[in-house]
Amino acid sequence: QVQLVESGGGLVQPGKSLTLSCATSGFTFSNYGMHWVRQAPGKGLEWVAVISFDGKKQHYAESVRGRFTVFRDDSKDTLFLQMDSLTVEDTAVYFCARRDWGWMACEVWGQGTVVTVSS
Amino acid sequence: QSVLTQPPSASGTPGQRVTISCSGSTSNIGKNTVNWYQHLPRTAPKLLIYSNSQRPSGVPDRFSGSKSGTSASLAISGVQSDDEADYYCAVWDDSLNGGVFGGGTRLTVL
Repeated sequence: QVQLVESGGGLVQPGKSLTLSCATSGFTFSNYGMHWVRQAPGKGLEWVAVISFDGKKQHYAESVRGRFTVFRDDSKDTLFLQMDSLTVEDTAVYFCARRDWGWMACEVWGQGTVVTVSS
Repeated sequence: QSVLTQPPSASGTPGQRVTISCSGSTSNIGKNTVNWYQHLPRTAPKLLIYSNSQRPSGVPDRFSGSKSGTSASLAISGVQSDDEADYYCAVWDDSLNGGVFGGGTRLTVL
């Protein structure tokens, strides 16, 4: 069945880097754009980044632009989010999601991976 | 603070009709389609409405969406206790060149 599984979360110190992965299965990964969305503790959903189906275009939220990089490896059906210069404000559950209709309609989501930035 | 404004809370008794609003601007709702998500704690968000008023397969027709100008609404008819959750609108913003979520509305079924 269609599945997204995030991994790579954990505890990291401020200023350090972390790379999240989103392993996909059950669909043709190379046909779909993919999003990263996060939810900080006690806060609402926040859009983080999107990458086009062919990997040629990426867009980022202002809060992460210049620090985060979204990329994909179609040979492994996997989406990535490289996070540099992490701050405590980046502490959140990070979800990957498949772009299905229009820009922001995602029917398929992973269960999330927790990133905690703390000294 | 999101560029999409939602009321922080909404409530209704079982069987009532509840509506949740999402107010934006010409750069987001005014130009792009609106989507709605239901989110329960510690779970993945669920797409309820896409392209302003379309329901994905499996979403009950109790859920409906509409859009007018720079505002949109999600309506839940015959609200049930299982509908208690956080609801978010989501749109692409051409000025920000990125996606945006509303601040979220927590629905309580009394």
